[in-house]
Amino acid sequence: DAGITQSPRHKVTETGTPVTLRCHQTENHRYMYWYRQDPGHGLRLIHYSYGVKDTDKGEVSDGYSVSRSKTEDFLLTLESATSSQTSVYFCATRVGDSNQPQHFGDGTRLSIL
Amino acid sequence: SQQGEEDPQALSIQEGENATMNCSYKTSINNLQWYRQNSGRGLVHLILIRSNEREKHSGRLRVTLDTSKKSSSLLITASRAADTASYFCATDYVNDMRFGAGTRLTVKP
Repeated sequence: DAGITQSPRHKVTETGTPVTLRCHQTENHRYMYWYRQDPGHGLRLIHYSYGVKDTDKGEVSDGYSVSRSKTEDFLLTLESATSSQTSVYFCATRVGDSNQPQHFGDGTRLSIL
Repeated sequence: SQQGEEDPQALSIQEGENATMNCSYKTSINNLQWYRQNSGRGLVHLILIRSNEREKHSGRLRVTLDTSKKSSSLLITASRAADTASYFCATDYVNDMRFGAGTRLTVKP
């Protein structure tokens, strides 16, 4: 158990509404990541953080924003949800930036109708 | 776009048999990692092999890496029903980790 809690675990919402997903870690890892997982695509990186208030874009960042005001929390926001953002979202952490494994939460299943 | 691509997409074997999954990638890497995902759960790290390593073992797992061919393989020996899961390779370069679409392994009791 990597000490990662994602909330909520499931959410159904409507197109155009704002959505915020939360990732909370207890391991004091420096790096945190948000991925989305879609059939046939594996996991794709949305945004990542390398420290408090330090974030950067990943491969599929359009339509998403993130914030990290504390080491333990990393928030993913969909400002105006679209049906194409229906997916399973995973948070991951890593102690350092390379040659180390990532640790994953159990995901948030988000459906946008 | 995906970096690692696993082959086969699905594999079904009997308990006790060995399972081999392959991963190909396209660009430079610092390391390559393998993860397992059980249905409805997050990914669990299995093994990391650095770009200057050729083979690594962990229990019933054996991973090889051929950087000249940009490929890796994961061998699970003496498989068990509990090994049923999806397996992903991930290439890691600086802070850019790219996952393949995975191999779905089913081990029949």
